[in-house]
Amino acid sequence: NAGVMQNPRHLVRRRGQEARLRCSPMKGHSHVYWYRQLPEEGLKFMVYLQKENIIDESGMPKERFSAEFPKEGPSILRIQQVVRGDSAAYFCASSPQAGVVGSPLHFGNGTRLTVT
Amino acid sequence: AQKVTQAQTEISVVEKEDVTLDCVYETRDTTYYLFWYKQPPSGELVFLIRRNSFDEQNEISGRYSWNFQKSTSSFNFTITASQVVDSAVYFCALSEATGNQFYFGTGTSLTVIP
Repeated sequence: NAGVMQNPRHLVRRRGQEARLRCSPMKGHSHVYWYRQLPEEGLKFMVYLQKENIIDESGMPKERFSAEFPKEGPSILRIQQVVRGDSAAYFCASSPQAGVVGSPLHFGNGTRLTVT
Repeated sequence: AQKVTQAQTEISVVEKEDVTLDCVYETRDTTYYLFWYKQPPSGELVFLIRRNSFDEQNEISGRYSWNFQKSTSSFNFTITASQVVDSAVYFCALSEATGNQFYFGTGTSLTVIP
């Protein structure tokens, strides 16, 4: 039973380029969370999605960042026109239940984005 | 205001010592859930334990134990007879029954010295 799969593991982009981060949830999980971890900091919530639906995007920067979770395929976190401050580890987590009441999040290994 | 506070940024102990990682949370919900996660140097996040707000029994799993006290809004984590493999960053987290988010503390970096 595969866990949460994120790819790529490491991503290097130059300023101004686009970054696409992919996340396939655990089998049977229909809810996906994205978190960002800046160096030496904790995990900051970005967005919570269900299939074809954004439930809560209160943690997403207003510009350049978007997320989707289509009916088929992985969830995508997209960062347009990256800047150095976007360099961070981006973690995806999945959960089987609506509202995640009591269910722990299962995390992927993260994508480490470096903007040069 | 921080929903989850881990006041200890870094802790170093010598192997075989016991160590307690503190976690204080804040919520107005009567139903909520508390979690601990481990992030070893390899970077992945490993789920360790979940407690709900109605169960204040302490829990022990091998060398790990957790002390949940609603009166002080704390959910502390103790590692007994620490080992080098315990070296990691440990995160405490809170989820509320009324919301969608998990709130994470800033983490405690534990180094176990051989």
